Amino acid sequence: GAGVSQTPSNKVTEKGKYVELRCDPISGHTALYWYRQSLGQGPEFLIYFQGTGAADDSGLPNDRFFAVRPEGSVSTLKIQRTERGDSAVYLCASSSRLKGYTFGSGTRLTVV
Amino acid sequence: QQQVKQSPQSLIVQKGGISIINCAYENTAFDYFPWYQQFPGKGPALLIAIRPDVSEKKEGRFTISFNKSAKQFSLHIMDSQPGDSATYFCAASDDYKLSFGAGTTVTVRA
Repeated sequence: GAGVSQTPSNKVTEKGKYVELRCDPISGHTALYWYRQSLGQGPEFLIYFQGTGAADDSGLPNDRFFAVRPEGSVSTLKIQRTERGDSAVYLCASSSRLKGYTFGSGTRLTVV
Repeated sequence: QQQVKQSPQSLIVQKGGISIINCAYENTAFDYFPWYQQFPGKGPALLIAIRPDVSEKKEGRFTISFNKSAKQFSLHIMDSQPGDSATYFCAASDDYKLSFGAGTTVTVRA
């Protein structure tokens, strides 16, 4: 596609539930990133994929968070046992070289 | 630990005026300094970027000034327009990972 697509655009879930957030990167982009943006803050790095493998997952806050990219294209961010503090906008970005990020519009996650 | 500090938090400027946003960093390994523009409900979009081997870069009405010795860089928006009303983020990177400032909300009054 023309840009990075993220679905759903909004997700409301109950505390303790499991959620999956999807990212479709720009076709041909080998690098994919997940960031989290809390209200009034800049995005914070979560994880970086180069191809199918997670090259750096140091930003994942705890083991409730997990991300996959099985075929080197679409990625899914998975959050188990959601907590109210997980509420934020989750941004995905892709690039064909290290510096040229294109962000998607994000998924706004609200945990009630 | 915030690696990039951004100020002001918000600013209001009249149409045709100049908006100035400042950022400071500590990590001397940073070698790439982009600025992003974000509208409500959208992801950040790359506006302009600079590397530390130059002190200034201009693209249209947007200019980055970079002071390597002071570890500071700034964005100047010349002839500000109502359509420039958005949140602006500075960022810095030494590899693939971007460290963002907290953002500046710019409001341009017509």
